[in-house]
Amino acid sequence: DTGVSQDPRHKITKRGQNVTFRCDPISEHNRLYWYRQTLGQGPEFLTYFQNEAQLEKSRLLSDRFSAERPKGSFSTLEIQRTEQGDSAMYLCASSLFDENQPQHFGDGTRLSIL
Amino acid sequence: QKEVEQNSGPLSVPEGAIASLNCTYSDRGSQSFFWYRQYSGKSPELIMSIYSNGDKEDGRFTAQLNKASQYVSLLIRDSQPSDSATYLCAVIQLTGGGNKLTFGTGTQLKVEL
Repeated sequence: DTGVSQDPRHKITKRGQNVTFRCDPISEHNRLYWYRQTLGQGPEFLTYFQNEAQLEKSRLLSDRFSAERPKGSFSTLEIQRTEQGDSAMYLCASSLFDENQPQHFGDGTRLSIL
Repeated sequence: QKEVEQNSGPLSVPEGAIASLNCTYSDRGSQSFFWYRQYSGKSPELIMSIYSNGDKEDGRFTAQLNKASQYVSLLIRDSQPSDSATYLCAVIQLTGGGNKLTFGTGTQLKVEL
């Protein structure tokens, strides 16, 4: 059973650099979500895709953030000109297209900004 | 008022006891409710989902939902040290779109030997 896969697991970068994360959802899942989690908080929604269409973006997603899911399979999340406040765990989740289907999370990418 | 509220804990229970975790939510129209377990440094792992009023049991876990009181709970019977983790309550709100989850801040559970 292949779950949600995220790469890299850890990323350390200097402030001002660009970073890109990848998420491979469970193969039959057509919905893909990105969340961000900081220490002591629950995950916060960033954006989601249904197939290749990005249908919603949170106000948390500033102009420096962009996400794509070009062929409705894997997704990338890019952060440009990283800032200290971007340090967090970035979580990807996927689900089937159904109002009640639960979301399954990947292991996350932990981003540290120096 | 936070959209999903949980007591941050820590909640300490002795091994073998019942742990009771609580969650309240603000959106009265919410339809879907989930409990995730998160070990330190790891990602959330789904343990229970509940959609209608009443109890839902799965092994040592029981989820309880009361939509009139806007209250969800998770009971863990025969608590084990391996249950020590943060438990996140998550809700799909009617006012939102696309099934996005709104999480509480989590309750830290410590099961003591």
